[in-house]
Amino acid sequence: DAGITQSPRHKVTETGTPVTLRCHQTENHRYMYWYRQDPGHGLRLIHYSYGVKDTDKGEVSDGYSVSRSKTEDFLLTLESATSSQTSVYFCAISESWTSSTDTQYFGPGTRLTVL
Amino acid sequence: AQTVTQSQPEMSVQEAETVTLSCTYDTSESNYYLFWYKQPPSRQMILVIRQEAYKQQNATENRFSVNFQKAAKSFSLKISDSQLGDTAMYFCAFMKQGGYNNNDMRFGAGTRLTVKP
Repeated sequence: DAGITQSPRHKVTETGTPVTLRCHQTENHRYMYWYRQDPGHGLRLIHYSYGVKDTDKGEVSDGYSVSRSKTEDFLLTLESATSSQTSVYFCAISESWTSSTDTQYFGPGTRLTVL
Repeated sequence: AQTVTQSQPEMSVQEAETVTLSCTYDTSESNYYLFWYKQPPSRQMILVIRQEAYKQQNATENRFSVNFQKAAKSFSLKISDSQLGDTAMYFCAFMKQGGYNNNDMRFGAGTRLTVKP
């Protein structure tokens, strides 16, 4: 299994509060991703990073920001959480964009509930 | 934009039998990858199999194989000799082959498979 951890694994928070989720990898992979999983939608990409301090938006980036100050950590921040952000959040990593290694490996997920 | 469709929200199969999960996708790209991921009740996303679009040969991994029809934009997963541990949600995913900032993955909504004893 790829060395990916997410913290916290579960969190309950209130509307309007800031929340930060952390993804940590021990594989030294260049690419890191944040997805959210909702019933009927599969997984949808929020943001991704293609290097330290290099990030870009995904399909559902509104209301989220990310930061990557070192290779192993990718943080997802909800500046002011809303109930629509209640979801399960997955971090993923991949080694590079070359054809031989374009596979994403996923962390265990974080269940976030916004009341 | 690429879209992935899994038309079977739920399926069931008897243990030891074979089941096929369907997936279709829409893209104008020529070079891309297709994946099947398994998500058991533990919620962990596990890569089952991947297919490069430029390869005509269908990928296989033990009891799992795919039927990749590029012209039809179809990518089905066949599970042979189904086992109770195969009970899970299965996601089909598409990723276009691109540059360093161009490899986000698109997922279908999933098929929940139940293997019955």
